[in-house]
Amino acid sequence: QLVESGGALVQPGGSLRLSCVGSGFTLSTYDMNWVRQAPGKEMEWVSYISSSGAGIYYADSVKGRFTISRDNAKSSLYLQMNSLRAEDTAIYYCAKAYLADRPFDLWGQGTLVTVSS
Amino acid sequence: EVVMSQSPATLSVSPGERATLSCRASQSVNNRVAWYQQKPGQAPRLVIYGASTRAAGIPARFSGSGSGTEFSLTISSLQSEDFALYFCQQYNYWPPWTFGQGTKVEIK
Repeated sequence: QLVESGGALVQPGGSLRLSCVGSGFTLSTYDMNWVRQAPGKEMEWVSYISSSGAGIYYADSVKGRFTISRDNAKSSLYLQMNSLRAEDTAIYYCAKAYLADRPFDLWGQGTLVTVSS
Repeated sequence: EVVMSQSPATLSVSPGERATLSCRASQSVNNRVAWYQQKPGQAPRLVIYGASTRAAGIPARFSGSGSGTEFSLTISSLQSEDFALYFCQQYNYWPPWTFGQGTKVEIK
């Protein structure tokens, strides 16, 4: 399973670090993603990191503000979010995929990030 | 960016009836389409990948079809546990990986 944590209420311009811990499988063999869902909106892919960490992509909406990373020894995935905006308010999910051109075969239950003053 | 469009937004179906959900891609995605099921407060669950292959543990009443830009998910006989939100995703052209807006299957 995948378990996210770190969601909170934060003021605009603030920072937050999300974590995702995997268990029951070897996280180091999988590519990982962050996906978010704002209230009443569709799922939006946020960021991707390859199994080795060498390949990283970001959605245009978060590029330059968010940083994805992983610690395979800890079976963990992270998302550092800086310069947060109201439009970043969403449930954030981590999801694994065997490769980039494969479906997201396991998702976490999500962690809520609320950006508001 | 490939835009995924789902219809209808809401589908009202009686238990035991058949439900068919549609997903259209703005360009051909080589059958790299997945369908996910999401229930309130739960993690999304992979149902179908490769447009027509059931994921592990998914009952045979779920089937996927389509090619190119038009795809569908059919639930042959709706059970109580099937009432949920379903959304499609393309994983052929990335980044970004893109999702449809979802179809809510509700009890009629």
